[in-house]
Amino acid sequence: DVKVTQSSRYLVKRTGEKVFLECVQDMDHENMFWYRQDPGLGLRLIYFSYDVKMKEKGDIPEGYSVSREKKERFSLILESASTNQTSMYLCASNTRTGHVGAFFGQGTRLTVV
Amino acid sequence: AQTVTQSQPEMSVQEAETVTLSCTYDTSESDYYLFWYKQPPSRQMILVIRQEAYKQQNATENRFSVNFQKAAKSFSLKISDSQLGDAAMYFCAYRGYQGAQKLVFGQGTRLTINP
Repeated sequence: DVKVTQSSRYLVKRTGEKVFLECVQDMDHENMFWYRQDPGLGLRLIYFSYDVKMKEKGDIPEGYSVSREKKERFSLILESASTNQTSMYLCASNTRTGHVGAFFGQGTRLTVV
Repeated sequence: AQTVTQSQPEMSVQEAETVTLSCTYDTSESDYYLFWYKQPPSRQMILVIRQEAYKQQNATENRFSVNFQKAAKSFSLKISDSQLGDAAMYFCAYRGYQGAQKLVFGQGTRLTINP
């Protein structure tokens, strides 16, 4: 079974903390994505990576950075967490052909207090 | 840039009835993929059905089928014989063939099944 695993299901952090969300896939996919999900807004792309050490900004990159040192791992970093970053974060991966869409992790619900 | 719009924030249907969820998109590309994803309370995104734009025939997967109107840029999902387990958020998504292979999502439709 294909798998995308996010390191935490629930996370509570304080304002100003540096936060790391980790994602690992076991399918040897080239592409990996971080989305943010908010009610009424659907899923919005924060960053994506199409190869090791390669990254591109998505639609809402402000306040976030990413790291992809190995093909299977894609990390989302909140440099200084703020309350408006309280949200659900979804990691996904797919191949360059992408005809089957993408595979998703189970999501991390982050609360910043 | 591509956009995807789901104009129905919430829908409800009686168990065993049929329901149709709407999705429209905007793109200048001629080749692309379209998808419907289901997100139950477990939060795991599940691919329900996909359509390749060059195929004229509408995709079907058991009780799920789509009505793909390329000229109108419309991609609706029909669920027949609705079951309680169909209750979930449903997202429509677009992916182009060329360039960045990211998925662009709509706002989602919350589907409730009434017993």
